[in-house]
Amino acid sequence: AQKITQTQPGMFVQEKEAVTLDCTYDTSDPSYGLFWYKQPSSGEMIFLIYQGSYDQQNATEGRYSLNFQKARKSANLVISASQLGDSAMYFCAMTNTGGFKTIFGAGTRLFVKA
Amino acid sequence: SAVISQKPSRDICQRGTSLTIQCQVDSQVTMMFWYRQQPGQSLTLIATANQGSEATYESGFVIDKFPISRPNLTFSTLTVSNMSPEDSSIYLCSVERPGQGATDTQYFGPGTRLTVL
Repeated sequence: AQKITQTQPGMFVQEKEAVTLDCTYDTSDPSYGLFWYKQPSSGEMIFLIYQGSYDQQNATEGRYSLNFQKARKSANLVISASQLGDSAMYFCAMTNTGGFKTIFGAGTRLFVKA
Repeated sequence: SAVISQKPSRDICQRGTSLTIQCQVDSQVTMMFWYRQQPGQSLTLIATANQGSEATYESGFVIDKFPISRPNLTFSTLTVSNMSPEDSSIYLCSVERPGQGATDTQYFGPGTRLTVL
């Protein structure tokens, strides 16, 4: 069965420092996609970054990068140069090409300290 | 990406009443998804709404409690019926768009924050 695990309920980071949010997944499908979403206190879900299972390079989008380690089934999100506006919930998610529904992890709440 | 709007953005309702949430997408899509996010929890899929057919509900969700309409390819509604305080949640609609790889990417509306007293 497909599963997403986020083991960090909460994380603190100093402004301007980098932070890594952990995500591990489990699937038997060879083709899948991994996503990270940001949810500010307003409640909207904002798509941040995508990594395909066949991608050779780690995905990057501005200050966001995804540390993809396929053999370990991990897809950690790295946020560089943290800003106060990065304080939010972050969800890791997975889907596959077989029409499986997107599943979400429990989320990690990030607090950025000034 | 996708531009998705939801109405209302938030509401406070009395126990036993019903609320209909609207979701509008900027372009035609085959499937629209409705999620519930209870306080402090992750997202749970309620149902998938296809235009021209009955919605497909996930385990634990029934049509009588969460009726869904899908009158066209850009619009859907979710009704939360006979509400109780346990229905207090954020309700999100989403659509899929072709992504950068082999899988589609889900994009979400701004959500409807519902409080039931």
